[in-house]
Amino acid sequence: ETGVTQTPRHLVMGMTNKKSLKCEQHLGHNAMYWYKQSAKKPLELMFVYNFKEQTENNSVPSRFSPECPNSSHLFLHLHTLQPEDSALYLCASSQDGTGGPSNTQYFGPGTRLTVL
Amino acid sequence: AQKVTQAQTEISVVEKEDVTLDCVYETRDTTYYLFWYKQPPSGELVFLIRRNSFDEQNEISGRYSWNFQKSTSSFNFTITASQVVDSAVYFCAGDDYKLSFGAGTTVTVRA
Repeated sequence: ETGVTQTPRHLVMGMTNKKSLKCEQHLGHNAMYWYKQSAKKPLELMFVYNFKEQTENNSVPSRFSPECPNSSHLFLHLHTLQPEDSALYLCASSQDGTGGPSNTQYFGPGTRLTVL
Repeated sequence: AQKVTQAQTEISVVEKEDVTLDCVYETRDTTYYLFWYKQPPSGELVFLIRRNSFDEQNEISGRYSWNFQKSTSSFNFTITASQVVDSAVYFCAGDDYKLSFGAGTTVTVRA
């Protein structure tokens, strides 16, 4: 596998379900990101992890819970979601979490989430 | 605060036409980086180019070219002789200390 992979690619869940999204990067990077992309809205940065430590949480509701066990893996745990949480969830990684050339972010294919 | 503006929401062209996508980046910093990403229907954002604020040389990569003008804060992207496979959403992004994306421009190339 190369680049950034995400599983599952598609997920349909009810509002009472618990599910997890997985992201894995094979680029040797140290920073990982979760973004939400809703229809007709700009990309929204949700969380940033740098060297496994969360460095940014953009006021994301607690029904989204990230986990970064190591620099290569990032999870987004979902529970009691709302229909408005339906969106494309994109994972990205970069060399590190600072600004500059090393911060070029490389994205995975995304998970298309539908909440019924 | 930084701001990325892509004024064009949608562009539709016929194959082989040239397409220019506009991007304006506003920041108080003198040192920053600008990016273009392509998002095809499959969903993945594909990194196309990164430029720093001190390099105003135009860049060409195949049918893609980029023109950065610091004086107008513009970083425009041109696709020459467009093809159907160029149909996608194109995002401009800027990074002074944090990466910010524009709203995207949807390009449709008709055969």
